[in-house]
Amino acid sequence: EPEVTQTPSHQVTQMGQEVILRCVPISNHLYFYWYRQILGQKVEFLVSFYNNEISEKSEIFDDQFSVERPDGSNFTLKIRSTKLEDSAMYFCAGRERPYEQYFGPGTRLTVT
Amino acid sequence: KQEVTQIPAALSVPEGENLVLNCSFTDSAIYNLQWFRQDPGKGLTSLLLIQSSQREQTSGRLNASLDKSSGRSTLYIAASQPGDSATYLCAANNAGKSTFGDGTTLTVKP
Repeated sequence: EPEVTQTPSHQVTQMGQEVILRCVPISNHLYFYWYRQILGQKVEFLVSFYNNEISEKSEIFDDQFSVERPDGSNFTLKIRSTKLEDSAMYFCAGRERPYEQYFGPGTRLTVT
Repeated sequence: KQEVTQIPAALSVPEGENLVLNCSFTDSAIYNLQWFRQDPGKGLTSLLLIQSSQREQTSGRLNASLDKSSGRSTLYIAASQPGDSATYLCAANNAGKSTFGDGTTLTVKP
């Protein structure tokens, strides 16, 4: 069964550094999402992406964040200048139309 | 804005018990509702998906029901086992994006 993959599984970075989290969605999916989960808190929506543009973003998704689908397969989340509070698990998800969302295994980001 | 609440926050039961986890949501215009399992420090494992037109879905010992008009879903776990110990999350999907509850942390004691 096809699955969503994310790399790396764990990223440690210093405050102020840029990070890029990568996701490879299932090939026939059209809609893509990033969510994050700060340790001990609920999973929160960050951004949705369709047809090569952002369709919706939350208030968390400020100018420090950007998303891209550079080559038609990878889907990336970039954080330009990481803060301590960006430490979280980041999940990528995808779907076909109004169907089930398939989530990746997550990338744990630790900002020191 | 969709809000999802899960009750109880934590539940501890002896092995073999049947149990019910509750999820409520404020905006009934959902595409679907999904139940997930999350083990500590791990990702999200999808358990069941109920489309907005459906009333329930079953997988093995799990049964999820959906009452869209009242904004409620329940996850029923039959004959619980220690391996069921985890956090169970429900997520209501509106226009694509999912809104998650805080989860119910289940402990099944041998």
